[in-house]
Amino acid sequence: DTGVSQNPRHKITKRGQNVTFRCDPISEHNRLYWYRQTLGQGPEFLTYFQNEAQLEKSRLLSDRFSAERPKGSFSTLEIQRTEQGDSAMYLCASKTGTTSQEQFFGPGTRLTVL
Amino acid sequence: AQKVTQAQTEISVVEKEDVTLDCVYETRDTTYYLFWYKQPPSGELVFLIRRNSFDEQNEISGRYSWNFQKSTSSFNFTITASQVVDSAVYFCALRLTGNQFYFGTGTSLTVIP
Repeated sequence: DTGVSQNPRHKITKRGQNVTFRCDPISEHNRLYWYRQTLGQGPEFLTYFQNEAQLEKSRLLSDRFSAERPKGSFSTLEIQRTEQGDSAMYLCASKTGTTSQEQFFGPGTRLTVL
Repeated sequence: AQKVTQAQTEISVVEKEDVTLDCVYETRDTTYYLFWYKQPPSGELVFLIRRNSFDEQNEISGRYSWNFQKSTSSFNFTITASQVVDSAVYFCALRLTGNQFYFGTGTSLTVIP
């Protein structure tokens, strides 16, 4: 499978715990994005990497959130001290560096905070 | 500010009917890109089409067609002869020359057999 993959697909955690999600982009894509999608809403931008550099962060990304892409390949999104409001689908997308090319999305990680 | 509005929250049609999903966008940039994505029940967003702001030519792909009108800031999507497999949530999105995508809230389409 050469698409974007995300693990785990589902995560249930208790409030206050830390969670980490992983995204493996399409191999030749140097740009990687994280989004959050809540029920009935469209994806909301969280952060963006070009290779290993994190170039943009949304104000939605509080200090409890951190994302890395250490070698410019896979990326991780960590949420510390989870809150019930963090329950959402976390989507990863990747694209090439060409300006007009679309993003390709992974299947998402659904987080439920109890 | 950038914004994408999909006023239709839910639409139901009977199979074989045509349906148009509306998308209105706001931006002051002159260069931008518009997209439509499909999100089936499985959850994965599937790319359907991309348009840049300098190309107002409408496009047809099989049963799908798109009408881009800069004068009204609209990028509407029509499905002809709808099928049950078209049932999904459809998102319109805007990207500027930066890298953020701005998504609408989506239109949930149900095609009734």
